[in-house]
Amino acid sequence: GESVGLHLPTLSVQEGDNSIINCAYSNSASDYFIWYKQESGKGPQFIIDIRSNMDKRQGQRVTVLLNKTVKHLSLQIAATQPGDSAVYFCAEILNSGYALNFGKGTSLLVTP
Amino acid sequence: DADVTQTPRNRITKTGKRIMLECSQTKGHDRMYWYRQDPGLGLQLIYYSFDVKDINKGEISDGYSVSRQAQAKFSLSLESAIPNQTALYFCATSDGRGEQYFGPGTRLTVT
Repeated sequence: GESVGLHLPTLSVQEGDNSIINCAYSNSASDYFIWYKQESGKGPQFIIDIRSNMDKRQGQRVTVLLNKTVKHLSLQIAATQPGDSAVYFCAEILNSGYALNFGKGTSLLVTP
Repeated sequence: DADVTQTPRNRITKTGKRIMLECSQTKGHDRMYWYRQDPGLGLQLIYYSFDVKDINKGEISDGYSVSRQAQAKFSLSLESAIPNQTALYFCATSDGRGEQYFGPGTRLTVT
């Protein structure tokens, strides 16, 4: 069936560099996307979201880009810090809005 | 205080035992969810509830049941636990506009 997936399972970056985490989705009916951060031993935490009528949304040090043409979503983290080390999940919500469909996640490791 | 709490946080049980995981929320949301997470994987939806009288199966409901005792409480039961139900279990809530708020998780081990 249709699913959300991630291009890279792990990403290692140096402190201070920018990070880019990618996500592909295949359901063209999805109209809302969320990026979650999950630290070890904790539940997922909301980072940023974007609706399908937008191409870009910025938060504090994070930017989400949505390319509906190629069904691609990315999360950019500026000036990555050690506290950013975690697993990042993208999730989509279909028009029905009943639940999130999660990708498998990308592990981000920030080295000093 | 946490908005979404789960009890217990850790549980070890034996095959065949019945076990209940509990979730409470203070966010006043109508929608509540139970997810399962296996190592290195994303979250899979077990059950969800849009209000006290509404219960729906998710993608992996076999072997599980739920009870929505009140708007703020949603419990997950394993009727007869089996080893492949060893996983992290997360409860989440939503006001229906999109974002879901997750609890801290329950680590369940079935031996």
